[in-house]
Amino acid sequence: NAGVTQTPKFQVLKTGQSMTLQCAQDMNHNSMYWYRQDPGMGLRLIYYSASEGTTDKGEVPNGYNVSRLNKREFSLRLESAAPSQTSVYFCASRFTGLAGVWEQYFGPGTRLTVT
Amino acid sequence: ILNVEQSPQSLHVQEGDSTNFTCSFPSSNFYALHWYRWETAKSPEALFVMTLNGDEKKKGRISATLNTKEGYSYLYIKGSQPEDSATYLCALSLNTDKLIFGTGTRLQVFP
Repeated sequence: NAGVTQTPKFQVLKTGQSMTLQCAQDMNHNSMYWYRQDPGMGLRLIYYSASEGTTDKGEVPNGYNVSRLNKREFSLRLESAAPSQTSVYFCASRFTGLAGVWEQYFGPGTRLTVT
Repeated sequence: ILNVEQSPQSLHVQEGDSTNFTCSFPSSNFYALHWYRWETAKSPEALFVMTLNGDEKKKGRISATLNTKEGYSYLYIKGSQPEDSATYLCALSLNTDKLIFGTGTRLQVFP
């Protein structure tokens, strides 16, 4: 049982390049999330997926796209990277129901630098 | 935009001291209140989830209380140890899907 896995762990991009961050969970959770973490800003939600086949915008979705490929996998794509997207990205998953009482499980994070 | 506020932003204590910090939220929007512990270079890990006014949870030397009517939760650490050094995040469930996180309280415990 690996929990939530993310690839890659580190990435350096040049402005304008594209890339996809991968996330997978093996806990049979129905909801998955992408956050970014910046100094002094806490965790900010980029996109989430409440179930396979559905995605919704979070607090900071501009410049990102997501795909919920199946129940296990949720990818985050940067189509044209910008220096403002330099951040640490966390994927998380969660079983949802019963008025939100279930905790989230986080992946190890991807540290992205855009030059 | 709903704000979940945590105070203080950072805290330095000596080993053996007890400490506490606060999470404040709009009391009208509430499903559940979560506390997470986030060590440097690691991922956040869940500590507690609380739903009912007056809830109290405990895990070892760490405990938390919840007041939904006035919109706050306290996290207490008794007899702080250096391994307690971490950022403590609280988060509010607005519904069954999303969590809104505070910016955290960074605790450093000096030997």
